[in-house]
Amino acid sequence: GAGVSQSPSNKVTEKGKDVELRCDPISGHTALYWYRQSLGQGLEFLIYFQGNSAPDKSGLPSDRFSAERTGGSVSTLTIQRTQQEDSAVYLCASSLGAGGAGEQFFGPGTRLTVL
Amino acid sequence: AQSVTQPDIHITVSEGASLELRCNYSYGATPYLFWYVQSPGQGLQLLLKYFSGDTLVQGIKGFEAEFKRSQSSFNLRKPSVHWSDAAEYFCAGSYSGAGSYQLTFGKGTKLSVIP
Repeated sequence: GAGVSQSPSNKVTEKGKDVELRCDPISGHTALYWYRQSLGQGLEFLIYFQGNSAPDKSGLPSDRFSAERTGGSVSTLTIQRTQQEDSAVYLCASSLGAGGAGEQFFGPGTRLTVL
Repeated sequence: AQSVTQPDIHITVSEGASLELRCNYSYGATPYLFWYVQSPGQGLQLLLKYFSGDTLVQGIKGFEAEFKRSQSSFNLRKPSVHWSDAAEYFCAGSYSGAGSYQLTFGKGTKLSVIP
């Protein structure tokens, strides 16, 4: 595709429910990142994929958060038993490789609201 | 731990005036440095990046930034601001010690432009 796409653009859920957020990276980009943007914490790294593997999960805030990537392309971020503090904008980014010179291209984000 | 600091939360300038947004970094080694812009409801767009070499880097939309190792700074500048530059600006860094080259972001500076 022309850019990174994310779905849904907005998600409202009730506390305790599970949610899945989807990211479609730019075709051919092997590196994929998830970040979270919230008022209190700013932009935070969550997880990094190289291909289908996730060698860096250091930013996941709890074991309620998980992510997978299939076919070296689409990634899904799952939040189980959502809490109000999970409310944030979840951003996905992709790059050609994991090297530091690789520009990360960001999607428009999914705004998650937990009631 | 590595960190990126943007001392100014909000800056207001008049259209046509010059602009400088401050960014300081703290890393064990020279990081890769980036400036991103985020317009309301939009994803992050890369303005410019510094990896090595010439310390003055040019970016899109007439922006430039200067890397100063002695001051651990990477300030963003524009000689004449346009109303369309009103947005939030994020400085970010990554480095080879983090195998994922994840971005560490500053808290952002919101720019308002007075006509």
